[in-house]
Amino acid sequence: QKEVEQNSGPLSVPEGAIASLNCTYSDRGSQSFFWYRQYSGKSPELIMSIYSNGDKEDGRFTAQLNKASQYVSLLIRDSQPSDSATYLCAVRGRGSQGNLIFGKGTKLSVKP
Amino acid sequence: GAGVSQTPSNKVTEKGKYVELRCDPISGHTALYWYRQSLGQGPEFLIYFQGTGAADDSGLPNDRFFAVRPEGSVSTLKIQRTERGDSAVYLCASSLRVSGANVLTFGAGSRLTVL
Repeated sequence: QKEVEQNSGPLSVPEGAIASLNCTYSDRGSQSFFWYRQYSGKSPELIMSIYSNGDKEDGRFTAQLNKASQYVSLLIRDSQPSDSATYLCAVRGRGSQGNLIFGKGTKLSVKP
Repeated sequence: GAGVSQTPSNKVTEKGKYVELRCDPISGHTALYWYRQSLGQGPEFLIYFQGTGAADDSGLPNDRFFAVRPEGSVSTLKIQRTERGDSAVYLCASSLRVSGANVLTFGAGSRLTVL
């Protein structure tokens, strides 16, 4: 059973701080990794994708991938109250050109 | 269309009834996915289509669930003899094609409540 694990939180950080969200996955052959943001009552929207080991930065967001440790993380710098949402980690496995497997999500709360 | 469109947005039905949920993907997107999301959980994969054919239906929980995409565009998820445990938000997503790096764009979802 391919699994994606996330700490459900809630993770609470003050405005302006760095929020660190973590995800582990069980399928060592996984190739593609995604972070989606989901506001309450809304559908998931893509924030970042990462395919190679290392860091990928996009504005205030940095995704980090370590395939040897089967670990992917998302850092949010200068956190804003508008970043308060549930962050979903999603993984596409080796040989699977289709579906993504999602974690349960981590709920982030940024306090003004 | 500009985005993934799902109808109805809300559906309340009684246990044992039949339900259809519709998804209209982004124009030109060949891949279409159905997920189910329960409260406090991440999206759970059900099925995905490449064109008209179901490429992977391994997530369908049992034979009460069925999905079609007859012309390679609009898809319908069909649930027979609904049970209270089927209550969830059913999410549809589409992508330009099926590939490892492909990105899914989600619709707003259809919230199903089975009384």
